[in-house]
Amino acid sequence: KAGVTQTPRYLIKTRGQQVTLSCSPISGHRSVSWYQQTPGQGLQFLFEYFSETQRNKGNFPGRFSGRQFSNSRSEMNVSTLELGDSALYLCASSLQGGGTEAFFGQGTRLTVV
Amino acid sequence: AQSVTQLGSHVSVSEGALVLLRCNYSSSVPPYLFWYVQYPNQGLQLLLKYTSAATLVKGINGFEAEFKKSETSFHLTKPSAHMSDAAEYFCAVSGRTYKYIFGTGTRLKVLA
Repeated sequence: KAGVTQTPRYLIKTRGQQVTLSCSPISGHRSVSWYQQTPGQGLQFLFEYFSETQRNKGNFPGRFSGRQFSNSRSEMNVSTLELGDSALYLCASSLQGGGTEAFFGQGTRLTVV
Repeated sequence: AQSVTQLGSHVSVSEGALVLLRCNYSSSVPPYLFWYVQYPNQGLQLLLKYTSAATLVKGINGFEAEFKKSETSFHLTKPSAHMSDAAEYFCAVSGRTYKYIFGTGTRLKVLA
């Protein structure tokens, strides 16, 4: 079956702009979570959605937001981009979230210049 | 609160030698533990998971891990390293908070 699909794979944005990243989970998976990966901070949890409801949120500023649609697809948005937002953003889907194995997409590499 | 500590950010082994990557966890509830592997410019691929069914867990590509509650450890091993095992490995813990907490990763280098 198809894996987790993240689009786009690469993005270059300018400081102050906003960006929207998309994630299509594995069919039947209702939990989608997002992570930011940087060399300095490693993998940091952003938020998790299950059936369109955010169940948990990491320690990121309000510029980072997300949502999940009725078909379980998810988007995350970052407004007023800063240089420090440059990172690999990974989406993971699982059947129910925490405790069940998560399957990751290949990520979106965001570069802010 | 849950946390994961991976000892050794870089590990080098010779091809054919034993691979041992260390992971210690902290959890106030019985944890779900995972090992993931990441190749350059790729997402994370699940190697194996522990969900309390058995303490010795076998995963893909010949990897296995043993859950030791008394030592709060979940070390990853492979009897014989292959060049294709060179990658970054992450230990993760999860529970009822709907998130995965990852260690800082161990980059494995395999020497010919």
